[in-house]
Amino acid sequence: DIQMTQSPSSLSASVGDRVTITCRASQTINNFLHWYQQKPGKAPKLLISGTSSLQSGVPSRFSGSASGTDFTLTISSLQPEDFAAYYCQQSFGTPWTFGQGTKVEIK
Amino acid sequence: QVQLQESGPGLVKPSETLSLTCSVSGGSISSYYWSWIRQPPGKGLEWIGYIYYTGSTNYNPSLKSRVTISIDTSKNQFSLKLSSVTAADTAVYYCASVDTAMVAFDFWGQGTLVTVSS
Repeated sequence: DIQMTQSPSSLSASVGDRVTITCRASQTINNFLHWYQQKPGKAPKLLISGTSSLQSGVPSRFSGSASGTDFTLTISSLQPEDFAAYYCQQSFGTPWTFGQGTKVEIK
Repeated sequence: QVQLQESGPGLVKPSETLSLTCSVSGGSISSYYWSWIRQPPGKGLEWIGYIYYTGSTNYNPSLKSRVTISIDTSKNQFSLKLSSVTAADTAVYYCASVDTAMVAFDFWGQGTLVTVSS
């Protein structure tokens, strides 16, 4: 199985902060890396697919990038509605696997 | 835009079979791949498996011996069966569509909590 190691597991930040979440794949996954946002009691929502393609309606403060097997989700200026859990997920090889998640909390 | 809705019992006894259905609206089930994902309370996400409208399936090896995903194109529904359940199968179960371009879960149902308990 392809392991996805996500860090940090949680972080505290203030509105306006720049936030970076990292996901490392245990092997090459090309660009088959996606990011989801999950708010309490809700289903995950696809934010970014294919490493860096922003989904329709997702604010431009969200961006994704990659360097080798390291993938990054960046929120350029954290907004109150961004406090949530974030998950990465690879679909390069089955079983499709998720990172452990990052909980973004209010400082 | 595709909408998905899970349905099924919220309580299943240990050793019995969990059965859920996902109803798809706003689009034809005869396109896309369709998937099940679960999330134990307070924990992360686990992919269970997918089905294509042709009936072709792929399951997570960790669950493969107990999982069956099927599709009914006439009803625009697909289903999950998980046999011999234990308390470890207690989770919110989501159905989702799979974007064929980048193979991401683009639309999700709201999720349904299934508790395994006697």
